[in-house]
Amino acid sequence: AQSVAQPEDQVNVAEGNPLTVKCTYSVSGNPYLFWYVQYPNRGLQFLLKYITGDNLVKGSYGFEAEFNKSQTSFHLKKPSALVSDSALYFCAVRDMSAGTALIFGKGTTLSVSS
Amino acid sequence: GAGVSQSPSNKVTEKGKDVELRCDPISGHTALYWYRQSLGQGLEFLIYFQGNSAPDKSGLPSDRFSAERTGGSVSTLTIQRTQQEDSAVYLCATDRGQFGETQYFGPGTRLLVL
Repeated sequence: AQSVAQPEDQVNVAEGNPLTVKCTYSVSGNPYLFWYVQYPNRGLQFLLKYITGDNLVKGSYGFEAEFNKSQTSFHLKKPSALVSDSALYFCAVRDMSAGTALIFGKGTTLSVSS
Repeated sequence: GAGVSQSPSNKVTEKGKDVELRCDPISGHTALYWYRQSLGQGLEFLIYFQGNSAPDKSGLPSDRFSAERTGGSVSTLTIQRTQQEDSAVYLCATDRGQFGETQYFGPGTRLLVL
């Protein structure tokens, strides 16, 4: 069965420092991987995705993520955090061979302090 | 329209009443998904429509939940005889119907069952 794990409920970083939000996945086939961000009382906004090709994917707002097949990970990173990055982040996976809907992790709350 | 729209944005109902939630997809998007976001449960897939194919109802939690999509466009999620545990944010997402496509989410309907 497909699953996504976000091991940290909350990540705290200081503004200007690098941030990492972790995600690991489990699928039977090859994965499509996504990151979404949710601001309070808003829907989910797409940040970036990995389909194929380069393992390092760049997305919106300076975020990037690295697909690591051997570790089944897709961690979200940003070199320099902003206070405005504070939000709830979701990792999601879709199994290329089976999937239709996205399977989401539980979400990680990112808090960036000034 | 420019994005996925959902109505109402908020709905308060009494236990046992029926509710209807509406989703208007992005023009040209053939795939439509309903998800539920509950505290402590993350995002759960409910149902998926793709073109004229039979919907994937595998995520519906009980037979009180149903959905339809008329003319391949607008979708309505109906919850009959609502229960307090149905209180959640119901999110609609659409995409162009290919596996690698990005799903774009609406702002959600926040349902509170008293």
